[in-house]
Amino acid sequence: ILNVEQSPQSLHVQEGDSTNFTCSFPSSNFYALHWYRWETAKSPEALFVMTLNGDEKKKGRISATLNTKEGYSYLYIKGSQPEDSATYLCALSGNTPLVFGKGTRLSVIA
Amino acid sequence: DSGVTQTPKHLITATGQRVTLRCSPRSGDLSVYWYQQSLDQGLQFLIQYYNGEERAKGNILERFSAQQFPDLHSELNLSSLELGDSALYFCASSVAGFHNEQFFGPGTRLTVL
Repeated sequence: ILNVEQSPQSLHVQEGDSTNFTCSFPSSNFYALHWYRWETAKSPEALFVMTLNGDEKKKGRISATLNTKEGYSYLYIKGSQPEDSATYLCALSGNTPLVFGKGTRLSVIA
Repeated sequence: DSGVTQTPKHLITATGQRVTLRCSPRSGDLSVYWYQQSLDQGLQFLIQYYNGEERAKGNILERFSAQQFPDLHSELNLSSLELGDSALYFCASSVAGFHNEQFFGPGTRLTVL
């Protein structure tokens, strides 16, 4: 059974701060690593899908990196804004459908 | 708006009852996935259909079943409901397999009393 770990569980930052959090996963049977943003009272929204070791993806102020050999991915948010407040989920697909971590809950304080 | 629709938005029912949740995928997407989000649990994968056929199964109880119709909409049937089945049920769709980006519907909140 794949186990996807995310840390920290929650994070509070001031507006304008940059932040990052981690997704760890078993490096065997890896195919793709997904990041989703889940705002309260909404549904998860895809941010990135990454497949290659060393992949880096960027969308606005949010970027992600992937290390499949050591089994981790980082999500970075530059200059956090209150609208970035959400739970950020990572999910792994290998030879199974998506296995989600429990997420990192980010609160950006104005 | 992801383009995935789910009905109903809320459902309140009693133990022992049976309910059906409905999902329409994004136009062009062939895969439909069902997930359960319970209190203190992460998103748990239940089942995937691809172009009308069951493709993958997760921790789906025997009391639960699903199907995907020729027009690609999907239904999740939950029977002999128990209090512990109370959860948020999401449907998601993707172009093809589960390695693709998934688009989530707004969810159905089921409350079993």
